[in-house]
Amino acid sequence: DSGVTQTPKHLITATGQRVTLRCSPRSGDLSVYWYQQSLDQGLQFLIQYYNGEERAKGNILERFSAQQFPDLHSELNLSSLELGDSALYFCASSPGRANTGELFFGEGSRLTVL
Amino acid sequence: LAKTTQPISMDSYEGQEVNITCSHNNIATNDYITWYQQFPSQGPRFIIQGYKTKVTNEVASLFIPADRKSSTLSLPRVSLSDTAVYYCLVGFRGDDYKLSFGAGTTVTVRA
Repeated sequence: DSGVTQTPKHLITATGQRVTLRCSPRSGDLSVYWYQQSLDQGLQFLIQYYNGEERAKGNILERFSAQQFPDLHSELNLSSLELGDSALYFCASSPGRANTGELFFGEGSRLTVL
Repeated sequence: LAKTTQPISMDSYEGQEVNITCSHNNIATNDYITWYQQFPSQGPRFIIQGYKTKVTNEVASLFIPADRKSSTLSLPRVSLSDTAVYYCLVGFRGDDYKLSFGAGTTVTVRA
């Protein structure tokens, strides 16, 4: 158990819909990272937040947005969903602002868009 | 970010040592080498990280030659539960380290 909690574990929705994925980082960790893993794209970095502020951005679509709240939990919002958004979405956390390379990943949220 | 190349898959048997080599010819001076393990439908798990020479922990060893253009992850005496995808990542442990994962190496351990 990494200490990172993600909900929901599974989500099935339709194209055009909007979903929110939630992540609670390990106790004491200030950075939260979001990753997307699909069969054809592998594990892709989406975005990082540190103590409530956006820290780094990767291949995140404009239809996707994220935020980190004062209690340090984070939410990833996916809107206007397309079939290609079906994937495993992972959240990871680490203690500091800089990414030392050692991240703690949650179990992921599996999104299926029909 | 330094590009990494590692074998797509490797087969082994229980009790054997598994060595996975990762090539990273354009590694930068400040880059560190990090390895992760991922089981199906689970998040990646940090295994080991190094800069040069050899690093060992309770799970694995990481060998890095002097030119740092490659690295080898060594898993001693593997068991069936070591069947997983192993990722080699190279990057600077700082502000811009976005930790990008490649395709990884699928290691299959057989009885």
